[in-house]
Amino acid sequence: SQQGEEDPQALSIQEGENATMNCSYKTSINNLQWYRQNSGRGLVHLILIRSNEREKHSGRLRVTLDTSKKSSSLLITASRAADTASYFCATGSGTSYGKLTFGQGTILTVHP
Amino acid sequence: ETGVTQSPTHLIKTRGQQVTLRCSSQSGHNTVSWYQQALGQGPQFIFQYYREEENGRGNFPPRFSGLQFPNYSSELNVNALELDDSALYLCASSPEAGEATDTQYFGPGTRLTVL
Repeated sequence: SQQGEEDPQALSIQEGENATMNCSYKTSINNLQWYRQNSGRGLVHLILIRSNEREKHSGRLRVTLDTSKKSSSLLITASRAADTASYFCATGSGTSYGKLTFGQGTILTVHP
Repeated sequence: ETGVTQSPTHLIKTRGQQVTLRCSSQSGHNTVSWYQQALGQGPQFIFQYYREEENGRGNFPPRFSGLQFPNYSSELNVNALELDDSALYLCASSPEAGEATDTQYFGPGTRLTVL
């Protein structure tokens, strides 16, 4: 079963615009991670935010976490055509021995 | 530093057959997790191996089994293949086991098609 739900399911923007994706989850977590997947291949880790953190930055990425609302958002600023991919949030729980629970993903298309 | 590798890249089997997928973990990582990703879905956790033992399992039947070797590489075996087993199988390695606090590093996946 999927823990998280991403919103929107698909997002289409122009190069240079910002892209925001949201993730909601159901149970308590230790951390939340965002991954990118190109064309059905392997996942690339983007950023990890721990449950005691509220915001984290990495390059053009900004992630927020609201544990009271059980939600997170990923912002990609100044998007590029190369950012076109599927983006997944994944949660880790202290009782789940290494298991990551993924959402269904957001398909981002950035038009040149 | 060598990343996670998986073989084969693609595989076609028929219903009822058995399949073995292979994974080499990233250098320095002793933990391997396997995920199944159906088309249009997020990955689902199958199981994790740490120090050659199964360290946790998701909601998959016993015909999904695995091994981890002393060099930390791993195999995923699926018996009595069903059409619904068609998916991308992803292997991920991480430095430690026991808690899901570590980033997992994914391989490129094996695309399995069951006819």
